[in-house]
Amino acid sequence: KQEVTQIPAALSVPEGENLVLNCSFTDSAIYNLQWFRQDPGKGLTSLLLIQSSQREQTSGRLNASLDKSSGRSTLYIAASQPGDSATYLCAVRRFADSNYQLIWGAGTKLIIKP
Amino acid sequence: DTAVSQTPKYLVTQMGNDKSIKCEQNLGHDTMYWYKQDSKKFLKIMFSYNNKELIINETVPNRFSPKSPDKAHLNLHINSLELGDSAVYFCASSPGTPNTEAFFGQGTRLTVV
Repeated sequence: KQEVTQIPAALSVPEGENLVLNCSFTDSAIYNLQWFRQDPGKGLTSLLLIQSSQREQTSGRLNASLDKSSGRSTLYIAASQPGDSATYLCAVRRFADSNYQLIWGAGTKLIIKP
Repeated sequence: DTAVSQTPKYLVTQMGNDKSIKCEQNLGHDTMYWYKQDSKKFLKIMFSYNNKELIINETVPNRFSPKSPDKAHLNLHINSLELGDSAVYFCASSPGTPNTEAFFGQGTRLTVV
């Protein structure tokens, strides 16, 4: 059974700092891993998608890595800004029970203090 | 243009009522999903439709029924609403192949009183 865990559950850092969010999964048989951002009262926004064959993806100040063998992914945010405050979720896509499924972590609530 | 749109954004209703949440995607995707986000922020899949065929039906109460009139729409109908149904419901879509992104609607916050 695939389980996805995100640590820490909450993180508060001063503006300008670099930070790392962690995501771990128990079954390495995944197609890809996706990082999302959720703002209060709003929907989910896709940030980065890493295919199972890739090691990392970058978009602006965001860098996501994937280590399938150890079941880990990290989301690195450089030079954090107050606008980065949100809940960050990771999800892995797998094939099970004849279907493709997204298995989610509980998220990390990030607060960037001005 | 919004890729995946849900209506309404907020829904407050009394116990026992029947309500529907609509979802439309203009991305031409083959698969659409409904998720429920619980109080702990976990997203749990409820249903998935691929070319009008239900391919995932998690253990949700049969008071919940997805209805897909065409590939671009997947509506969620809920009968006899209960207090425990209060949550945020998300619609999503993705192409039929697995190595692609999933796109989400803005969510519908359902409050049952």
